[in-house]
Amino acid sequence: DGGITQSPKYLFRKEGQNVTLSCEQNLNHDAMYWYRQDPGQGLRLIYYSQIVNDFQKGDIAEGYSVSREKKESFPLTVTSAQKNPTAFYLCASSLQEYGYTFGSGTRLTVV
Amino acid sequence: EDQVTQSPEALRLQEGESSSLNCSYTVSGLRGLFWYRQDPGKGPEFLFTLYSAGEEKEKERLKATLTKKESFLHITAPKPEDSATYLCAVQAGGNKLVFGAGTILRVKS
Repeated sequence: DGGITQSPKYLFRKEGQNVTLSCEQNLNHDAMYWYRQDPGQGLRLIYYSQIVNDFQKGDIAEGYSVSREKKESFPLTVTSAQKNPTAFYLCASSLQEYGYTFGSGTRLTVV
Repeated sequence: EDQVTQSPEALRLQEGESSSLNCSYTVSGLRGLFWYRQDPGKGPEFLFTLYSAGEEKEKERLKATLTKKESFLHITAPKPEDSATYLCAVQAGGNKLVFGAGTILRVKS
């Protein structure tokens, strides 16, 4: 079955540590996205990529980095510069102007 | 700036009690309005896409409608399994979606 796989489901980060969230899709979608979700707030766009080897900052890119070396993969690194990283992170993909397909999310907690 | 506002923030219904969720938007050049359902700890699941004012779509107990300024998600005779957070999003330029904060629906039996 086609879909988006996010891993891990739960992730714990120590202060000053970089962590990487994985996102893989086998839908052959061109565009991929990373959103952050906090309680009581809508999904906020971190980064997006419409084609391999190209990506753009979203509304809250500070403290995050991404790469898009393969069409299927769009990993997100949460760096030590992100001061409040505890949140639910969602990866999505889309084909041109159609709606998004979402992964099941990664819950990141600072310990 | 594109904006989406959903109301109410939370809604409690008795099983069988029909109601509507609201999604108001301001966007320059609407290309599509999307409704998603999200269960706790999971990713959003696609429900509907609406493209133009006057359009309506239905799926089981859910019906989505669209005007030039807002969209409604009507829930007819809801069941406890309809309990979830319902998200609205708009697509303007490019492929990016702008989301509202969602409405948390609880249906009690």
